Amino acid sequence: SAVISQKPSRDICQRGTSLTIQCQVDSQVTMMFWYRQQPGQSLTLIATANQGSEATYESGFVIDKFPISRPNLTFSTLTVSNMSPEDSSIYLCSAREALREKLFFGSGTQLSVL
Amino acid sequence: QKEVEQDPGPLSVPEGAIVSLNCTYSNSAFQYFMWYRQYSRKGPELLMYTYSSGNKEDGRFTAQVDKSSKYISLFIRDSQPSDSATYLCAMSAGGNEKLTFGTGTRLTIIP
Repeated sequence: SAVISQKPSRDICQRGTSLTIQCQVDSQVTMMFWYRQQPGQSLTLIATANQGSEATYESGFVIDKFPISRPNLTFSTLTVSNMSPEDSSIYLCSAREALREKLFFGSGTQLSVL
Repeated sequence: QKEVEQDPGPLSVPEGAIVSLNCTYSNSAFQYFMWYRQYSRKGPELLMYTYSSGNKEDGRFTAQVDKSSKYISLFIRDSQPSDSATYLCAMSAGGNEKLTFGTGTRLTIIP
């Protein structure tokens, strides 16, 4: 199984600022994803991070708000831009091999926006 | 109707009891079924993985899939306080299709 390191583990931010979350996988994986988990709710897929090209965003999520980078097969970042209290959530990085169904998660970033 | 339905609980059972957690789904294309365990302030941890119908056992955990009823279950035998967590079911049709998650069931094992 892939080991995924994510940082920061938590942060408290002011409204209007941006936060970049980093995700490092210990092996080369084909697919990386970013999820959001709001209190008491399940996981919502934000986007698929594609290596060397623009991320693929799910309905309701846009690049201007959640820019994503993936410069290589083991690293990705998610930025939460111009934050508002509604962005307070847990953000999770995940990864899997292509055509393999097992999805592994990082430990998450708990974000609070004041 | 959600694609995947899961009772959010909370569910409290005494230590040593058998726990049954369930999900129903509507998409008949789903073939891959997973259970994740998520402790407070941690990311989900893959617990069980099953392809198509049938049972899979791993220690105290048994996963069951009934595709004809579109119903999956996770059984925990001899439950321990360390099993207290939120359990999420997840499923996909395969072929790089995204996983669809249930809302999670919060489980507490009472010593």
